[in-house]
Amino acid sequence: DAGITQSPRYKITETGRQVTLMCHQTWSHSYMFWYRQDLGHGLRLIYYSAAADITDKGEVPDGYVVSRSKTENFPLTLESATRSQTSVYFCASSTPMRAGTQYFGPGTRLLVL
Amino acid sequence: AQSVTQLGSHVSVSEGALVLLRCNYSSSVPPYLFWYVQYPNQGLQLLLKYTSAATLVKGINGFEAEFKKSETSFHLTKPSAHMSDAAEYFCAVSDGRGYGNKLVFGAGTILRVKS
Repeated sequence: DAGITQSPRYKITETGRQVTLMCHQTWSHSYMFWYRQDLGHGLRLIYYSAAADITDKGEVPDGYVVSRSKTENFPLTLESATRSQTSVYFCASSTPMRAGTQYFGPGTRLLVL
Repeated sequence: AQSVTQLGSHVSVSEGALVLLRCNYSSSVPPYLFWYVQYPNQGLQLLLKYTSAATLVKGINGFEAEFKKSETSFHLTKPSAHMSDAAEYFCAVSDGRGYGNKLVFGAGTILRVKS
């Protein structure tokens, strides 16, 4: 049971480059989420999705794009990376049957130089 | 809008001592409340959750939390700290309904356990 995986686990890129972070879950959960974790801020929601082809903005969506063509995948793209996007990114999934419990991936550490 | 405040970004206890991590929430509707734990270089793992059933909730690894509506609090406790409890702990709130049960997280509390 692979659960929820993220790739890459570590990424170094340069300002202005496009970067895509991948998230894959094997549970067929309908809901998926992207968070960023920064010191002193906890986790902040970037985007979320209720099902394939249904996505919506969270608290900090600027500079990010998501898509969800298949239930199991929810990639996050930084269209033109900036230093302020240096962070740890977590993907999560949930199902309405679990009363809001979210299951998290291991995270991707992104450094933008 | 919902929000969570965790008092104390760092808490240090001796092994065997009581662990108390504080969480206060703000919500205009009856909330669902969660505690997650994050070990170094890992994702978040659910410790326990309150979803309007019993106000005292027991979780994994001997942790428990009590929902107090009058105090808008959901503090996390463990009677006796173990070295393996050293981690970062996040309190989160949800309105329990609507679009995907979105969670709003507190800033986190790093627990240090001294031997």
